[in-house]
Amino acid sequence: DVKVTQSSRYLVKRTGEKVFLECVQDMDHENMFWYRQDPGLGLRLIYFSYDVKMKEKGDIPEGYSVSREKKERFSLILESASTNQTSMYLCASSLYQAKFFGPGTRLTVL
Amino acid sequence: DAKTTQPTSMDCAEGRAANLPCNHSTISGNEYVYWYRQIHSQGPQYIIHGLKNNETNEMASLIITEDRKSSTLILPHATLRDTAVYYCITANSGGSNYKLTFGKGTLLTVNP
Repeated sequence: DVKVTQSSRYLVKRTGEKVFLECVQDMDHENMFWYRQDPGLGLRLIYFSYDVKMKEKGDIPEGYSVSREKKERFSLILESASTNQTSMYLCASSLYQAKFFGPGTRLTVL
Repeated sequence: DAKTTQPTSMDCAEGRAANLPCNHSTISGNEYVYWYRQIHSQGPQYIIHGLKNNETNEMASLIITEDRKSSTLILPHATLRDTAVYYCITANSGGSNYKLTFGKGTLLTVNP
């Protein structure tokens, strides 16, 4: 079974802090993704990566950056957390069409 | 991606088959039909996908109409753990399939 793990299930940070969300997949997938999910807004793509050190902006990249130094690991970075970044963050990986998601990180920014 | 239409909610008795419909009348020829589900407070889970032919895996069956304008996801023996929001989406395969737009989905409630 494909396994996608995220570093934390719940995280509470203060405004202005730098936040790192880590995602690791164990299936040697080329593609990895970061989404955020908010009530009424559905799933929105922040960034994706189709290879090591490669990244592409999704629909809402502002306020975020990413890092993919190794194939299995894709990190999402909030340079200076703000309250409007309070959300559920979901990482996913895929080889072809089907995406496999991690359990999610519920981030609260106070 | 083509838009899909699903009922807002459905109920099913435990042990019975759950049949979840989806309309995707504007699907284009190279778009696949995907089904995912999301149990409360968890990440979405991939279930199955197909292009034209019916598909079956250990989780479910997918029936796609001949004109590809609609499909049905079948959970053959629903359990309480199948209670979740089920999302039907259509998307291209390959390099353009980076985005994944979930609509509102169908809340399936499996009752004892």
